[in-house]
This record gives sequence, structure tokens and C-alpha cells, in this order.
Amino acid sequence: EPEVTQTPSHQVTQMGQEVILRCVPISNHLYFYWYRQILGQKVEFLVSFYNNEISEKSEIFDDQFSVERPDGSNFTLKIRSTKLEDSAMYFCASSRQGFDEQYFGPGTRLTVT
Amino acid sequence: DQQVKQNSPSLSVQEGRISILNCDYTNSMFDYFLWYKKYPAEGPTFLISISSIKDKNEDGRFTVFLNKSAKHLSLHIVPSQPGDSAVYFCAASSGYSGGGADGLTFGKGTHLIIQP
Repeated sequence: EPEVTQTPSHQVTQMGQEVILRCVPISNHLYFYWYRQILGQKVEFLVSFYNNEISEKSEIFDDQFSVERPDGSNFTLKIRSTKLEDSAMYFCASSRQGFDEQYFGPGTRLTVT
Repeated sequence: DQQVKQNSPSLSVQEGRISILNCDYTNSMFDYFLWYKKYPAEGPTFLISISSIKDKNEDGRFTVFLNKSAKHLSLHIVPSQPGDSAVYFCAASSGYSGGGADGLTFGKGTHLIIQP
């Protein structure tokens, strides 16, 4: 069964450093998403991406964040200058259509020290 | 601002019995609802969904009921099995009618424990 994959599974970085989280969505899906879950809190929507552009973004997704689909398979989330409060699990998801069920990857645990 | 609420942090059910997980929402624009199951250190796994044009959707042991007037939905699992022990998240979006890539709004989750 096709699945969303994410790398790395765990990333440790120092405050102020840039990080890139990588995702390979399900191959025939057209819509891509990033979510995060801070420890003990809800899963929160960050951004959605369709047709090589951002479709929707939340208040969390400020200028420190950017997304890219650099080739036909990868979908990346970049955080330019990490802060302690960026420590969280980051989940990538994809769906065939915009209103379809979203399938999630296993997540990347980001720890900012 | 809790637009999606799961008021029971945990629920314990005996194996073989029915598990009923509840979810309430406040945003009238939500028109698509989903349930996800999550194990520790894994991503949410899609279980079942329902659009606002329906009031019931069934898939095997899982049935979701939607009461739009009460802004309430529930997930029924019958019969409950030990492998069902996990955290269950209710999620909602307003993307169904618009067709856009709307983000999902999640509840805080209910930890379901199936007792042998």
C-alpha cells in the first residue's frame, strides 16, 4: 500500500540554524500539507500546496517557513532560523483531491536546542 | 479557540463491546469530517470520513454519525478489539464545497483503551 515517507525521523539543531524537512507524498496525490504537533498539544495545520504554489496557510506559517516541491517526488519544509518553540513533531500529508482524506507520514521530530 | 472538541481524554471499553467516541465542533463552515487513529511515535492513520451531505457512513467495524444541527459527530467501533487501543482524533475542514486544499482542524484526541 502506498504511503507517505518523511526524512529524517529525528533532527536536532541549534537555535538560529536552518533546517529542511523532507517528505515524499503518495505518487498520484496532487495536494500536499505540513502539520506540526508540539508535545502534549493538538495537531496543527501549517500549510497546503497545490500546483506548485501555496493554497492555504495558517497563522503559524510565518516568514520563517517556506515550502517547495523541488522535483516530481519530494516536498520540503524549510525553517530559516529555528527557535526553541519550533521543537515539535512535523507531519507531512497528501491527498488526491483538495477535499479528500489526507494521508500522513510518520513524522519528523525536530528538537531545537 | 477550540473549534473541534473531544471532551473525553480517555475511554476504557471491554473487548467485544462497542466503543463510542464523541466530537463537537463550533465552526458552521465545516463540511467535511474525518477520524484518525494514532499510535505513539507514528503519524495519524486515516479511518473514516463523512461529508455534511450525509448523516452516516460505515466502513467495516467503523461507523461515523453526523448530527449537523447539534454540531456533533461520533465514531462507533463494533466490536472493539485490542488492536483498537490508540489515540483517536476527530478532524474537520471547510474544503468539501470549495474543493480547495483546506487544512484540517484537529481535536485534542481521545485515548481509547480496550481491555481484554
